[in-house]
Amino acid sequence: GENVEQHPSTLSVQEGDSAVIKCTYSDSASNYFPWYKQELGKRPQLIIDIRSNVGEKKDQRIAVTLNKTAKHFSLHITETQPEDSAVYFCAASGPFWGSARQLTFGSGTQLTVLP
Amino acid sequence: GAVVSQHPSWVICKSGTSVKIECRSLDFQATTMFWYRQFPKQSLMLMATSNEGSKATYEQGVEKDKFLINHASLTLSTLTVTSAHPEDSSFYICSAPDWTNEQFFGPGTRLTVL
Repeated sequence: GENVEQHPSTLSVQEGDSAVIKCTYSDSASNYFPWYKQELGKRPQLIIDIRSNVGEKKDQRIAVTLNKTAKHFSLHITETQPEDSAVYFCAASGPFWGSARQLTFGSGTQLTVLP
Repeated sequence: GAVVSQHPSWVICKSGTSVKIECRSLDFQATTMFWYRQFPKQSLMLMATSNEGSKATYEQGVEKDKFLINHASLTLSTLTVTSAHPEDSSFYICSAPDWTNEQFFGPGTRLTVL
C-alpha cells in the first residue's frame, strides 16, 4: 500500500520567515495530494491540495509543489504568522475504493512560529 | 464546503462497556465514509472504510468484531467500540468525500475509557 513520509517532525521559524515541509510517497498511482492543518483537539482542515497533472499551486501565502518523477511534494508557507502555528499533515490518495479514494497521511509536522 | 458532524464530541465510559459514535454528512450524500483513530501527537490512522449498504472494509490490525461499523443510509455511519478498554482511548474522526473526492472531516470524538 501507499506509504507517506513527512519531514521535519518539528519546525520553528521566526514570524515573517518562510516554512517548508516535505513529503515523499511510494505509490506512483497516487494522484491527489492534500495538506491539512490541525489545531489541538480539532479536526484537520484542508489548506491546499494538488493533483498530479499540476506541478505547483499557490493560494496567497501558501504554495504546494509536486515532483511526480521523484515522488515528493512540499508545502511552502511564506510570511509566517503566529496563527500559523499548528500541526500540518500531508496526505496522498490511496487505492481507488468504490466512489472515493482513501488517504494515507504523513506523520505530521509541528510548526511553531515565534513572535 | 460540505459539512460533516460527529456525535458525541467526547465520551467517558467504564472499561467493558460499548460506545457508539455517529458520523453524519449534513448537506450531501456520502456513499463512502472513512473512520480514523488518532493517538496523542500522532497522525491519523485509517481504521476502516464504510460503504452504504455493504460491509465495511477494515485495515490490517483493526479488529472488525471490536469496532463495529454500520452505514445504513447515505448520510449516516456509526462506529461502535465494543467492550472498550483503556487502550481504546483515543480521538476518533470520520470523514466523508464529496463528489470531487475532497474529504470533509467530522469534528472528532474524544473517547476516554476508565
